[in-house]
Amino acid sequence: GAVVSQHPSRVICKSGTSVKIECRSLDFQATTMFWYRQFPKQSLMLMATSNEGSKATYEQGVEKDKFLINHASLTLSTLTVTSAHPEDSSFYICSARDPGHSYEQYFGPGTRLTVT
Amino acid sequence: AQTVTQSQPEMSVQEAETVTLSCTYDTSESDYYLFWYKQPPSRQMILVIRQEAYKQQNATENRFSVNFQKAAKSFSLKISDSQLGDAAMYFCAYRRTGNQFYFGTGTSLTVIP
Repeated sequence: GAVVSQHPSRVICKSGTSVKIECRSLDFQATTMFWYRQFPKQSLMLMATSNEGSKATYEQGVEKDKFLINHASLTLSTLTVTSAHPEDSSFYICSARDPGHSYEQYFGPGTRLTVT
Repeated sequence: AQTVTQSQPEMSVQEAETVTLSCTYDTSESDYYLFWYKQPPSRQMILVIRQEAYKQQNATENRFSVNFQKAAKSFSLKISDSQLGDAAMYFCAYRRTGNQFYFGTGTSLTVIP
């Protein structure tokens, strides 16, 4: 199957700083990517839909000024957590949609963010 | 919004035995997909099996099969000949073509040697 990567796999940052997480589709062009958040022992919750060349669509309750999403190319979407706080500590997973394969979606391996 | 319900937070099965994980969902759409994903401790989401709603035949992938009851909006996963490597969190998910996933709350499966 198609490969989606995320970088970094783990990151620790201090409260008040910003951290950027990358999601890349390695062997297909993804016009749409999705960002999910997963708290410990909980399910994946959609945060936003990232569309190449346009603004992201955020789910209700997700602060767009805090979670900045940029989908600058067909293979890369970034999620920047600004002014991070300990409650932002979570596991962030992206998925990328492959228009060349019936819009199948593939998940990245996830990024564990810890804010101290 | 669509909802996906997994009523079994935890399940256990003896190695080599069979276990069934339950899932129900709510939608007003007629065209959609249903999935079971496995999430081991590494947290990588691994596709176990998928079902297109328009297909009446239940999907099967080796030891994994589903019982898809469209009218009842039920989508259970049966794991036969359970193996130690099957131990993981299992998520049922709903998706329309090209759109985002809606996940259930997950079932933690333990395989007892």
